[in-house]
Amino acid sequence: QLQLQESGPGLVKPSETLSLTCTVSGGSISSSSYYWGWIRQPPGKGLEWIGSIYYSGSIYYNPSLKSRVTISGDTSKNQFSLKMSSVSAADTAVFYCARQRVSGGTRVFDSWGQGTLVTVSS
Amino acid sequence: DIVMTQSPDSLAVSLGERATINCKSSQSVLYSSNNKNYLAWYQQKPGQPPKLLIYWASTRESGVPGRFSGRGSGTDFTLTISSLQAEDVAVYYCQQYFSTLTFGQGTKVEIK
Repeated sequence: QLQLQESGPGLVKPSETLSLTCTVSGGSISSSSYYWGWIRQPPGKGLEWIGSIYYSGSIYYNPSLKSRVTISGDTSKNQFSLKMSSVSAADTAVFYCARQRVSGGTRVFDSWGQGTLVTVSS
Repeated sequence: DIVMTQSPDSLAVSLGERATINCKSSQSVLYSSNNKNYLAWYQQKPGQPPKLLIYWASTRESGVPGRFSGRGSGTDFTLTISSLQAEDVAVYYCQQYFSTLTFGQGTKVEIK
């Protein structure tokens, strides 16, 4: 059974870089059938897609965040990671990693981690 | 970006009654070459991650109860829960994957 688990600091200072890792078990991030993505949700608010990575190394980002975001993958550890620079209080959110199905042209998220709350505060 | 607007923001429905959620996109998410609508629905219960319910606007994900159905085309879509159960209390989101992925603001479904 596929499981995704986010990990990283729960508190980040303003202007610093947020770093999170998603560890995948029960499946491989090297699969050609899926992208692996990051989505965030500010407390009490809606969902915002951040970006996704494919096993080939192809990455695509939400243009609104692209200048501050880097997503990378480590197939040897079956992990993928998110870095978001120059964070502010507006970046406080629950961050989810998720598997993104791409078969047949769909790009839906069919399996999610439990999420991790990252608070930006001094 | 395509803006997804859901209505209503919240609704309260009696157990066993029908719940209908609307989702409107700022531009069409129907891809003419394959006649598919690039629209999905998710359910998020309190303290949990979202769960995929429907994709291609009307295809139920494996394991999703038959009381959930989606319809619509182009810019206007609906998610219907035909007979609301207590376990359906949640926030529901639509998502388009026609272009840069965007979600609706969510609709909270409660028991009346």
